[in-house]
Amino acid sequence: NAGVTQTPKFQVLKTGQSMTLQCAQDMNHNSMYWYRQDPGMGLRLIYYSASEGTTDKGEVPNGYNVSRLNKREFSLRLESAAPSQTSVYFCARGDRTGELFFGEGSRLTVL
Amino acid sequence: GESVGLHLPTLSVQEGDNSIINCAYSNSASDYFIWYKQESGKGPQFIIDIRSNMDKRQGQRVTVLLNKTVKHLSLQIAATQPGDSAVYFCAETSSGNTPLVFGKGTRLSVIA
Repeated sequence: NAGVTQTPKFQVLKTGQSMTLQCAQDMNHNSMYWYRQDPGMGLRLIYYSASEGTTDKGEVPNGYNVSRLNKREFSLRLESAAPSQTSVYFCARGDRTGELFFGEGSRLTVL
Repeated sequence: GESVGLHLPTLSVQEGDNSIINCAYSNSASDYFIWYKQESGKGPQFIIDIRSNMDKRQGQRVTVLLNKTVKHLSLQIAATQPGDSAVYFCAETSSGNTPLVFGKGTRLSVIA
């Protein structure tokens, strides 16, 4: 898992429900990322955290919030899930060169 | 089954042949490029990278070519094997200070 652990691996929600995707790294890297992956769209950046205590919006942040709890953990929250948020979510840690190391993904379905 | 990868460009090659996967990038300021491989149900995995001060870099069975003039990147896989079947993504960034931006991906299908 490239030193990145995501939970849960699968989740089904009803429209309007909330949930948090958890991500933890074991390499002490400063930067962490959340991407979503949809058919034909590649990976799109939702939010990232360049260092502990900072977060920034990516390409598709609407409907999401993030928390960089400490250097190791970066969570993604959906306050009121919508069917358009059905996707596969990937967390990644980044080293100083810019290379990313991805977790195995969290597959979310919103009914 | 895994729905990621539907509607992607697909390259089909015979086992043992060479594969070439192409990528056009958009940002002329990008100076670091990475190819990732994603197998079904897994996260993307690093294959090879290249910086803008180079135009070619070789790894084990893989070569990345960079043409900055036309903003084009390619991944060559020698002697393609069934285990190479996956979706391949190119990604770009500027000096590692901005998050990686990914292309839409190409599915490689190896015919045994």
